[in-house]
Amino acid sequence: KQEVTQIPAALSVPEGENLVLNCSFTDSAIYNLQWFRQDPGKGLTSLLLIQSSQREQTSGRLNASLDKSSGRSTLYIAASQPGDSATYLCAAGSYQLTFGKGTKLSVIP
Amino acid sequence: DGGITQSPKYLFRKEGQNVTLSCEQNLNHDAMYWYRQDPGQGLRLIYYSQIVNDFQKGDIAEGYSVSREKKESFPLTVTSAQKNPTAFYLCASSVGTDHEQYFGPGTRLTVT
Repeated sequence: KQEVTQIPAALSVPEGENLVLNCSFTDSAIYNLQWFRQDPGKGLTSLLLIQSSQREQTSGRLNASLDKSSGRSTLYIAASQPGDSATYLCAAGSYQLTFGKGTKLSVIP
Repeated sequence: DGGITQSPKYLFRKEGQNVTLSCEQNLNHDAMYWYRQDPGQGLRLIYYSQIVNDFQKGDIAEGYSVSREKKESFPLTVTSAQKNPTAFYLCASSVGTDHEQYFGPGTRLTVT
């Protein structure tokens, strides 16, 4: 059964810093990997989706990479801003997504 | 505006009562999903439906039921058989071969 782990559980950085969030998964036979953002008490917002045949995807200040052989994905956030403060979730699978518990990011002004 | 709506935002029920959570989408997506989120845990899949009149159990389907009579609607009923129903419930939908999922705003259910 697929297991998804996100480390660290929480991260605090000063504004302007570049940062990396990590996601690991146990079953490399995934269809895609998706990164989400969740603000407190809200639903999830899709940030990036990487198909299994792709290595990375970019959207603005966000870049996500996928290494199926090592069972890892990273989300790179450039020039962090206080508005980036949220919980970031990764999920692996296809119809049945398996979610990690998330990394709670705080960007300090 | 295209999107997914869930109503109500907050729902309170007494133990032993069934309750139905609404999920509607106007994105013309084929697949729809229900997840449950508990503090400190990842989202867990309850049910999903790939097409109208068909649905499959997820990891934690016991105590829940769904229907998919229309493409745009996927209501979830939390029955009295669900032992710990208090949670944040999230509905999602997807379309196409990459299955990118889009989420609604969620319903927080409290059962006392």
